[in-house]
Amino acid sequence: DAKTTQPPSMDCAEGRAANLPCNHSTISGNEYVYWYRQIHSQGPQYIIHGLKNNETNEMASLIITEDRKSSTLILPHATLRDTAVYYCIVRAFMDTGRRALTFGSGTRLQVQP
Amino acid sequence: DGGITQSPKYLFRKEGQNVTLSCEQNLNHDAMYWYRQDPGQGLRLIYYSQIVNDFQKGDIAEGYSVSREKKESFPLTVTSAQKNPTAFYLCASSIRDSDNQPQHFGDGTRLSIL
Repeated sequence: DAKTTQPPSMDCAEGRAANLPCNHSTISGNEYVYWYRQIHSQGPQYIIHGLKNNETNEMASLIITEDRKSSTLILPHATLRDTAVYYCIVRAFMDTGRRALTFGSGTRLQVQP
Repeated sequence: DGGITQSPKYLFRKEGQNVTLSCEQNLNHDAMYWYRQDPGQGLRLIYYSQIVNDFQKGDIAEGYSVSREKKESFPLTVTSAQKNPTAFYLCASSIRDSDNQPQHFGDGTRLSIL
């Protein structure tokens, strides 16, 4: 799976949009971009994923650049409960055989009241 | 509510003892997975099952065993052969075992050695 680079930490004011960047410059054409988050001592929570097009669901939006070398996760109205570590993962296990989700260091998002 | 239930939340094991971690899902998912997470580290895949009555070894299967007799259940046994079992164990499931299907996780079981 391609390596991802994320800022180690970010702050966001409650009620404002949180924009979390991820660089995946070595992504291959069949690798999906996934976002998960993990609150301490809980299991990872799936947020969203995409291949080429931008995606939106009830939790967030995923913006993928045209060259697919980077993406941004957008939480439109951050709340205190969004404070967590956010992981960007690129994945294509059908080719690599590596099924395990490879979590990097992630971005620790702190939502401030 | 649909989801994945892991039990117990905390588990203590004596040396030489086998313990079984429970994982149940009511999402009607075909695929299920067991991961191990150590402090400050990522997830490592122990076993996975693409469909009922079938399972495959992951990256670190030694010292562990599983069964998949029912679609909704995928218990993990940590045997005495696992020399360093202290970790956070996570169960996940997905609609099917595919790149394009997200894995959804339970809240984990924290196993400690007495």
